[in-house]
Amino acid sequence: DGGITQSPKYLFRKEGQNVTLSCEQNLNHDAMYWYRQDPGQGLRLIYYSQIVNDFQKGDIAEGYSVSREKKESFPLTVTSAQKNPTAFYLCASSAALTLGSPLHFGNGTRLTVT
Amino acid sequence: QKEVEQNSGPLSVPEGAIASLNCTYSDRGSQSFFWYRQYSGKSPELIMFIYSNGDKEDGRFTAQLNKASQYVSLLIRDSQPSDSATYLCAVRDSNYQLIWGAGTKLIIKP
Repeated sequence: DGGITQSPKYLFRKEGQNVTLSCEQNLNHDAMYWYRQDPGQGLRLIYYSQIVNDFQKGDIAEGYSVSREKKESFPLTVTSAQKNPTAFYLCASSAALTLGSPLHFGNGTRLTVT
Repeated sequence: QKEVEQNSGPLSVPEGAIASLNCTYSDRGSQSFFWYRQYSGKSPELIMFIYSNGDKEDGRFTAQLNKASQYVSLLIRDSQPSDSATYLCAVRDSNYQLIWGAGTKLIIKP
């Protein structure tokens, strides 16, 4: 079955450490996204990529970095520069950045930094 | 600043009744509109999307779009306790960016 796999489901880190969240898709989608969701709030875009080796900052990119070396993979690194990294992180993909393409989401990674 | 507004709720609806969820948007050039359901602690899942003015039906769900008034709504007929979730409205604006509402929490009471 095609889908988006995020790992791990839960991640715990000490403050000051960088951490990388994995996102893999086998939907053959061109576009991939990273969102952050805080309790009781909507989705905020961190980064997105429309094509391999290219990505753009979203609304809250500071303290995060990404890479897109393969079409299937779009890992997110939460760096120590991110002030409030504890959140629910969602990876998504879509067929293309067109008006009609819905986003499909992975199951999310819940990151806790203490 | 382009915005998508939803009443945060909670919206409480008796089982078997019609639940009506509303969403307004600020960018008049927006072209496509999406409704997602999100259970607590889970990721959003697509319910349906709509591009044209009017109604679009899929099973118990109906999306309604009124571009002149800049609102989109989701009706859930014969509401079930399993419909209890947060419903997110997303609008793809004229720059192809997806703008998200904060969601409406729906509670279906048995």
